[in-house]
Amino acid sequence: DQQVKQNSPSLSVQEGRISILNCDYTNSMFDYFLWYKKYPAEGPTFLISISSIKDKNEDGRFTVFLNKSAKHLSLHIVPSQPGDSAVYFCAANNAGNMLTFGGGTRLMVKP
Amino acid sequence: EAEVAQSPRYKITEKSQAVAFWCDPISGHATLYWYRQILGQGPELLVQFQDESVVDDSQLPKDRFSAERLKGVDSTLKIQPAELGDSAMYLCASSPAGATDEQYFGPGTRLTVT
Repeated sequence: DQQVKQNSPSLSVQEGRISILNCDYTNSMFDYFLWYKKYPAEGPTFLISISSIKDKNEDGRFTVFLNKSAKHLSLHIVPSQPGDSAVYFCAANNAGNMLTFGGGTRLMVKP
Repeated sequence: EAEVAQSPRYKITEKSQAVAFWCDPISGHATLYWYRQILGQGPELLVQFQDESVVDDSQLPKDRFSAERLKGVDSTLKIQPAELGDSAMYLCASSPAGATDEQYFGPGTRLTVT
């Protein structure tokens, strides 16, 4: 039973445009959500996070939105750059317990 | 910048053989994690250590997998015997004590079982 789902395995965006990556979860006990970015042959690196008490968190070109009623979060990248091409994982946890990851979305930003 | 080290980066082994992976976490990080990532899926936690103690190994297939962190620093994950379905990326991560949200991942070991 996947508690964190990323339904789009891939996304292709033109450089300069907005990239929107989506994530859905089923466990209402999750209280902290994170996005990780992974390049080939490297481990995932932390990108941005959001607590369940917020609905938006922004860091430069990256913004995460949380809709608790819909159990949905999204990552917006504006403007997208070719260097953003990577696999993006959504993750969630409950009170500091283990992270549960989604299956990932491969983002390709075309020059 | 401090990093999580893992070795080997790649390992090819025949089924029924034993294989071991090593991880050296960021200095001072009390919590260490081993994850398995199957191609096309997200990482799944196998085992979590707090210092030298196992905190969670509920997803570790204990009939063939073992993990240790004897001195609370580096860690070894072993598979014996390896099966074809064990082919995956094995990721190690570490975090400061009490900050499980701040996990720093190593580059992983890509295991191929033939």
